[in-house]
Amino acid sequence: DAGVIQSPRHEVTEMGQEVTLRCKPISGHDYLFWYRQTMMRGLELLIYFNNNVPIDDSGMPEDRFSAKMPNASFSTLKIQPSEPRDSAVYFCASSGLGGRKLFFGEGSRLTVL
Amino acid sequence: DQQVKQNSPSLSVQEGRISILNCDYTNSMFDYFLWYKKYPAEGPTFLISISSIKDKNEDGRFTVFLNKSAKHLSLHIVPSQPGDSAVYFCAASVGGTSYGKLTFGQGTILTVHP
Repeated sequence: DAGVIQSPRHEVTEMGQEVTLRCKPISGHDYLFWYRQTMMRGLELLIYFNNNVPIDDSGMPEDRFSAKMPNASFSTLKIQPSEPRDSAVYFCASSGLGGRKLFFGEGSRLTVL
Repeated sequence: DQQVKQNSPSLSVQEGRISILNCDYTNSMFDYFLWYKKYPAEGPTFLISISSIKDKNEDGRFTVFLNKSAKHLSLHIVPSQPGDSAVYFCAASVGGTSYGKLTFGQGTILTVHP
């Protein structure tokens, strides 16, 4: 079975550019989460969706960040404009079928120069 | 306000011995706890979990203990193997409307020496 699929795995961009990270959750899962991992803050939740609807976006750091889930099999996290302090590994995770454990993708490592 | 804390950034253990990783939490509303393992350049993978109605859960070499009065949980790995070397994250969640939302600790780097 395919796990959570994220793209791109690595992204290097310049300050001010738009960045779009993509995620395909595990089929049948009804929860989708975006986490960010940094040395300073560890793994922090940015936003999560239930049945494609955003439930809690209190972790989104600024208006420069936005996330969408147009259907059950696809989500995007967009940063516009990007800044060097956005450099981090961004993880997408999904859960469902009544379970409370999250299944993570391999992450997207973002470097903003 | 860090609700889940792993106070030991790293732990070094000899192969075959026991590894004990610790985690403390402050939110008494947490009712489900999980441990994740993470290798470099990979996403965290689920290891073991425990509900607040239990005080112990075992899965092969891995056992998680929960002490609710102390707001403390620990992961025991016996016997430790070199392949267990990874970063271990403790996580906790609240039921109800926050179902599925995990709060993570900072992680503990476990190194198992052959």
